[in-house]
Amino acid sequence: SQQGEEDPQALSIQEGENATMNCSYKTSINNLQWYRQNSGRGLVHLILIRSNEREKHSGRLRVTLDTSKKSSSLLITASRAADTASYFCAPSGYSTLTFGKGTMLLVSP
Amino acid sequence: DVKVTQSSRYLVKRTGEKVFLECVQDMDHENMFWYRQDPGLGLRLIYFSYDVKMKEKGDIPEGYSVSREKKERFSLILESASTNQTSMYLCASSFRRGYGYTFGSGTRLTVV
Repeated sequence: SQQGEEDPQALSIQEGENATMNCSYKTSINNLQWYRQNSGRGLVHLILIRSNEREKHSGRLRVTLDTSKKSSSLLITASRAADTASYFCAPSGYSTLTFGKGTMLLVSP
Repeated sequence: DVKVTQSSRYLVKRTGEKVFLECVQDMDHENMFWYRQDPGLGLRLIYFSYDVKMKEKGDIPEGYSVSREKKERFSLILESASTNQTSMYLCASSFRRGYGYTFGSGTRLTVV
């Protein structure tokens, strides 16, 4: 299984600002998934982007994928305090998912 | 929506006890997984199952076993709990390989 590495490790912004998180991985993939984890809870699946897609939107989330650079980014627009959480990327090659240490996002009111 | 239910949110057990962590999913998913999450180490895969009665070792299976007698239920067993098994345990399921995972809320286990 592949592991993604999220960057930055921590991000602090104000409400209303945009938040961008990046993910790098090392091997070829079939899709890449992003998850959110609120403190002390389970992970929540946010979005899946297939290897033949370059961009995908879901509400205030925008994900891009560049398979040539083996990287992905997650953009959260107009952040809210409720977006405060850790965010994980998970490159998938049809085996089990391996999660990195995530990006901890803090959105201040 | 698919729901993954873990039987306990918090659990305190004594060293040497046999501990059962139960996980049930309600949407006929084929695959189920057990992870543990520790500060600084992230999520690590303990065991997983791609079908009923099947089980596969993950990255850190030592000290654990699993049981999947029915498709919807995947149990994690700590044969003899030790303090280094104090952790947050997360169960997940997915429809098929390559699909997104649905996680339970987690069980925070403390072994004293």
